[in-house]
Amino acid sequence: QTVVTQEPSLTVSPGGTVTLTCASSTGAVTSGYYPNWFQQKPGQAPRALIYGTSNKHSWTPARFSGSLLGGKAALTLSGVQPEDEADYYCLLYYSGVRVFGGGTKLTVL
Amino acid sequence: EVQLVESGGGLVQPGGSLRLSCAASGFTFSSYEMNWVRQAPGKGLEWLSYISSSATTIYYADSVKGRFTISRDNAKNSLYLQMNSLRVEDTAVYYCVKGTDRWGQGTLVTVSS
Repeated sequence: QTVVTQEPSLTVSPGGTVTLTCASSTGAVTSGYYPNWFQQKPGQAPRALIYGTSNKHSWTPARFSGSLLGGKAALTLSGVQPEDEADYYCLLYYSGVRVFGGGTKLTVL
Repeated sequence: EVQLVESGGGLVQPGGSLRLSCAASGFTFSSYEMNWVRQAPGKGLEWLSYISSSATTIYYADSVKGRFTISRDNAKNSLYLQMNSLRVEDTAVYYCVKGTDRWGQGTLVTVSS
């Protein structure tokens, strides 16, 4: 069974920078896993942020960026805003089957 | 404006069945792959199933394979999820997703006796 692992929680100060990561139990994450990132705030449906490792949707704020880092997919928030406090999920593709990570709860404090 | 509206959720007994629907508008439905994703209360997201634009390719998560069936009707701009042999652990909000970029608001399925 494939497992996708994210940090359970992270804390960042307003204006700071934080990197969330997404690891695969099968080994290094590459662009072939087509990493996606989503943001979910309490009581809301998830919102897509990043697709295909680093591509932004038209609504994705510029402070969000996606990359591959040390064998993992990564989501970096630069100049964090209070409204960025949310749960963040990555999604990886495994030959058709998709698997979400367990999510990272980001606290802005 | 892209809109995805799920319906068909509700309370069902273990072992029962339910059919979820997703009405799509604001985009050319027949051109896009679709997914179902669920979220149990207080838990993370779980991908369930994928269907290609022409329904020629379908994938399922192991947790629902053999019990759930995804389908679509491009003439009606609608996506479906037939759920059989429901279990208590299937209790969740079920989301219809256009590709991975647009999400509906979800419909709650509660499996309980």
